[in-house]
Amino acid sequence: SYELTQPPSVSVSPGQTANITCSGDKLGDRYACWYQQKPGQSPVLVIYQDNKRPLGIPERFSGSNSGNTATLTISGTQAMDEADYYCQAWDSSTGVFGGGTKLTVL
Amino acid sequence: DVQLVESGGGLVQPGGSLRLSCAASGFTFSTSWMHWVRQAPGKGLVWVSRINSDGRSTSYADSVKGRFTISRDNAKNTLYLQMNSVRAEDTAVYYCARDAPQVVVHAFDIWGQGTMVTVSS
Repeated sequence: SYELTQPPSVSVSPGQTANITCSGDKLGDRYACWYQQKPGQSPVLVIYQDNKRPLGIPERFSGSNSGNTATLTISGTQAMDEADYYCQAWDSSTGVFGGGTKLTVL
Repeated sequence: DVQLVESGGGLVQPGGSLRLSCAASGFTFSTSWMHWVRQAPGKGLVWVSRINSDGRSTSYADSVKGRFTISRDNAKNTLYLQMNSVRAEDTAVYYCARDAPQVVVHAFDIWGQGTMVTVSS
């Protein structure tokens, strides 16, 4: 079965750029999505189709996907961006999530 | 407002059954593909199942195939997940999610608040 691998944690200082990676075999041949989940809340879609932002998602969120790695980039990270982030892709008709990355802003 | 509201969670014994519901409002449910995603306590997100807009096409994660059934009633704007032969490892918050419209590949753009299912004797 297809697997997506994320680092368990990433730390960033306020105002700096955070990069969260997601690795999978030939992931660049698929589309990747990213979800943000804050404690006690439901997930929120922040990036779809590798690099598209839904309405209402700040421009500081961007995405890329090439080779075996998709990357979520948060520019000018703010304290409110502290959350768990999950990448997601499709293996035929089966959805696959990465294990999640806890982003700490300190 | 676009909204999904899950219900039906609770405590169930191993081997038992439970039916979850997800009431949709604020969008055209009958044209939307829908999904169930679960999250065990302290763990990550896991995709469970999806159904197309008319209910004729479904898919499941291997871990629930043959035990869970996704269905929908477009007249009632409601999505269901029938859970049979439940196991301790099915303990999780279950979210329903809408498939984002007009995108190339499925993405979950609207999520419910989730309903907790606990499998225990």
